[in-house]
This record gives sequence, structure tokens and C-alpha cells, in this order.
Amino acid sequence: DSGVTQTPKHLITATGQRVTLRCSPRSGDLSVYWYQQSLDQGLQFLIQYYNGEERAKGNILERFSAQQFPDLHSELNLSSLELGDSALYFCASSADEETEAFFGQGTRLTVV
Amino acid sequence: TQLLEQSPQFLSIQEGENLTVYCNSSSVFSSLQWYRQEPGEGPVLLVTVVTGGEVKKLKRLTFQFGDARKDSSLHITAAQPGDTGLYLCAGVAFNSGYALNFGKGTSLLVTP
Repeated sequence: DSGVTQTPKHLITATGQRVTLRCSPRSGDLSVYWYQQSLDQGLQFLIQYYNGEERAKGNILERFSAQQFPDLHSELNLSSLELGDSALYFCASSADEETEAFFGQGTRLTVV
Repeated sequence: TQLLEQSPQFLSIQEGENLTVYCNSSSVFSSLQWYRQEPGEGPVLLVTVVTGGEVKKLKRLTFQFGDARKDSSLHITAAQPGDTGLYLCAGVAFNSGYALNFGKGTSLLVTP
């Protein structure tokens, strides 16, 4: 158990809908990272937050957004969902921006 | 665009054999990490290499970081069925916090 908690574990929704994925980092970790894993693209970095502020952006679509709250948990919002958004979404957390990150078990999103 | 190229993509071997997985890039990284991922789980960190030319050993696993910090290899001696899984390399670019650039992974199957 990495100490990073993601909910829900599975999510099935229809095209055009909006979903919210939640991540609780390890106790004391200030940095949260979101990744998307698909069969064709592999693991892709989406976005990073540090102590409530956005720090780095990767291959995140404009339909996706995220935030980190004062209690340090983070949410990833996916809107206008398309079939191609079906993937595993991972959250990782680290103590700061220079130490190793630990991954949660992921949320499997299926868009039908 | 995948910054890190892993080879081979798939590997099926028998228990007791040795194997090497390669991770190559044209980019220089401040550090490189190796993860193992099992189905339905998040990636689990195996090792971090930081210094060019560095070699780290973890029981039967040997990790090497290239002198130019652009490539790395993972060598497994006397593979066991418990080594089965997806092996991922990930590079940390300079001044990027700890956002990881992942390779697509090497899927290893070790049969008894």
C-alpha cells in the first residue's frame, strides 16, 4: 500500500458526460501528480500541483482540469468525455518537488 | 512523442534465464527511475539512478545509468515467475519538478 488513495476504482460513463476523480496523497506530501495510462500511449504526465498551486503541465487536454485543495487532496475533472478518454488515471504524491513520488492504484475510466 | 524508448516491448522467458531491458533517449535527464507495474495496480518504484555511470543492485536486479544520462538498462539474473510484470523506465527532466516522462514499458513473462 503506497498510502495514496484514489476513488473511485472504476467508473463507467457515457460520451459527453463529466466525471471527477479524487486523490488523497500520502500524509504530509505536498505535491500531487496526475497521469493517464492507455494501451497506445503508455503513461503520460498530465499535471502537477504543489501545495495548492499548479506547477507543471504535460499532455493535458483543455477538456480536463484539476485542482488541489487546502487539505492537499486533489481532483481531476474530465468533461465532454470521448471514447478515447477511456484509460487508467493515476495520481502520485511526493513530499516535495525533488523527491520520489508514490502512485495510487488508479481509477479505471470507461467511456461508452 | 515518447521521450524514452524501451526495448524489447515484450519478453517471454523461462525461469532461470537472464535478461536485459533497455531504456534510451536523446534527452538528458537529472535522474531516471525504474518501476514495476502489475495488472490493476499502480507502478511501484524499484530504483532511482542519479549519477552518470551509476550502477545499483537490488537482489537479482542490476540497474545502470548511462554516462551521458540519456539511457539506462535493467538486467535480471536468474529470472523467477515472481518477476513477471510490466517494467517501466521514467526520466525526470531538469527544472520540471518531479514530473516523469515514461517509456511505454517492457512486458515480461517468466514461465516455470
